[in-house]
Order: sequence, then C-alpha cells, then structure tokens
Amino acid sequence: DTEVTQTPKHLVMGMTNKKSLKCEQHMGHRAMYWYKQKAKKPPELMFVYSYEKLSINESVPSRFSPECPNSSLLNLHLHALQPEDSALYLCASSQGEVPGNQPQHFGDGTRLSIL
Amino acid sequence: GIQVEQSPPDLILQEGANSTLRCNFSDSVNNLQWFHQNPWGQLINLFYIPSGTKQNGRLSATTVATERYSLLYISSSQTTDSGVYFCAVNRDDKIIFGKGTRLHILP
Repeated sequence: DTEVTQTPKHLVMGMTNKKSLKCEQHMGHRAMYWYKQKAKKPPELMFVYSYEKLSINESVPSRFSPECPNSSLLNLHLHALQPEDSALYLCASSQGEVPGNQPQHFGDGTRLSIL
Repeated sequence: GIQVEQSPPDLILQEGANSTLRCNFSDSVNNLQWFHQNPWGQLINLFYIPSGTKQNGRLSATTVATERYSLLYISSSQTTDSGVYFCAVNRDDKIIFGKGTRLHILP
C-alpha cells in the first residue's frame, strides 16, 4: 500500500464528459504533483502545488484543471478530453516548499481511457 | 534544457545475476532519485541520492555529482525486480525523468 492514495484506479470517459481525479496524502507533505505517463514513456510533469498554491504549470492544455482544496488533497478536473489524453495519471507528494528538493512519493495512479 | 540519459535501454538477465544501470545528466542538478515501476504501473522510491552512496538490501546506488552520473546496482536479481527503472533529476524547479531501463529477470 502506498501513502499517496489516488481514486479512481481506472476511468473510462467520453470526450464530452466531465470527471475528476483525486489524490490524498497524510504525510504532512507541502508539495503535490500531477504527472502524465503514456505507455512505454517516462512520467511527464504537468502541475506542482507548493503550500496549496500552483507553482508550476508545464504548459498543460486548459482541458486539465488542477485544484488543491487543502494541504492533503489534490484534484485534477477533466473536461472535453481527446483520445490522445488516454494515459496513466500519477500523483506524488514531497516535503518542503521547493518542488523536487525532497524525495517524491507516488500514488498507484489512475488509468484513464478516453473513448 | 537538461538531458537525462539512461543505459542500457533494455536488459534481460537470469535470476541470480547482478546488474548495473547508469544515469547520465548533462548539467549540475540539485537532486537525483531512482524509481522502480513494476508491471502494474506502481512507481516505487528506491533511492534519493544527490551524491554519495546508499545501500538498501540487494540494491545500492552511487551518484558522482561532479562527473554527472549515477549508478544503480542490483545484486542476486529476483523475478520481482522486473520492470522499468527510472532516474529523475531536479534543477531550477524542473523535474526530468530519463527514458528508463527495462529489466526482465528470467526464472
């Protein structure tokens, strides 16, 4: 079991649907991350929140909308996605306010399929 | 931007064998982390090692920051070691993963 919990584990949605991915950690970490991973590729950083504020947005399309309601929760809201957005979405967290300066701990991911 | 290269890209070994995986990076980095992604997609921390040497059971890692490389050693391989091994570096708030080494351990 990982200390970063992601739900749902699998999600199938149509291109017109709106859905949300959720991530939760109770390690007191102050930085949280969303990554996208395509098959046989490394994870690619999408967003970083530091102390509940968006600190990094790696030029991600607006159909992906992150939200950090509190220090333990991170959401990724999805709307009007394209088939090429099908991927494994990974959440991670780390201590400290500078992203990447402490070890990152990953959740098990949400496997997303867009029909 | 900074480049991260891992070698070899693929490795097939018999159970019990030893292996060395390499991660080269093109510029100085703040931090380096090794991960194992198992066949179910779980990404597991192995080492956080910006410099020096660390050991954890059959695994050990060494980072020589001045020469811009890190090595991951796996001894007495087991089938559960199969999967993809990634190194990831951090510099100026950029977090960059290498393309990984895909390891197959045969029983």
